[in-house]
Amino acid sequence: EAQVTQNPRYLITVTGKKLTVTCSQNMNHEYMSWYRQDPGLGLRQIYYSMNVEVTDKGDVPEGYKVSRKEKRNFPLILESPSPNQTSLYFCASSLREDQPQHFGDGTRLSIL
Amino acid sequence: AQSVTQLGSHVSVSEGALVLLRCNYSSSVPPYLFWYVQYPNQGLQLLLKYTSAATLVKGINGFEAEFKKSETSFHLTKPSAHMSDAAEYFCAAFLKAAGNKLTFGGGTRVLVKP
Repeated sequence: EAQVTQNPRYLITVTGKKLTVTCSQNMNHEYMSWYRQDPGLGLRQIYYSMNVEVTDKGDVPEGYKVSRKEKRNFPLILESPSPNQTSLYFCASSLREDQPQHFGDGTRLSIL
Repeated sequence: AQSVTQLGSHVSVSEGALVLLRCNYSSSVPPYLFWYVQYPNQGLQLLLKYTSAATLVKGINGFEAEFKKSETSFHLTKPSAHMSDAAEYFCAAFLKAAGNKLTFGGGTRVLVKP
């Protein structure tokens, strides 16, 4: 089954404790992306990747890091999380950047 | 910068009534346009997409959207609402010239009354 898998689905942690949210897709997609969803703001892009070892900033990259060492994986790293990063995060992938994206089920992060 | 505006953060319709969700984009060059639906505790699913082939686009679950260049709009409609249509709907635009990014509107939550 074609899918985008994110882990964990839920996480409560404290300010400053590094965390990683994993994302994996099994569709051999080139384009992958991370979004955060906040009420009234829709989804805002954090980072995206056009292919292996090619990543670029989206609209709200501050406080986040990503890497794309393999085509299927695109982890999101919060080196020193802060409360304003409490949000619902989605990973997505598509064959190319202009194609419809497939979304994971989301990761709800709470930073205390 | 490209932007996408959805008019109305909440819409309430009666079962069987017309659903109309409004979306306007800001670029002078028509972008690729998408409508996504999000059910509770789930990710987004594609409803339909516009890629310049036809101005009236049919999607899944009886939804359709019409692209109007003169109005820079891409409104989503469904003739008869069903209870299962209760969800949040997002309009999104992709324009390569604006960077390889998908820009989302703020979302419209649809409530369907019996």
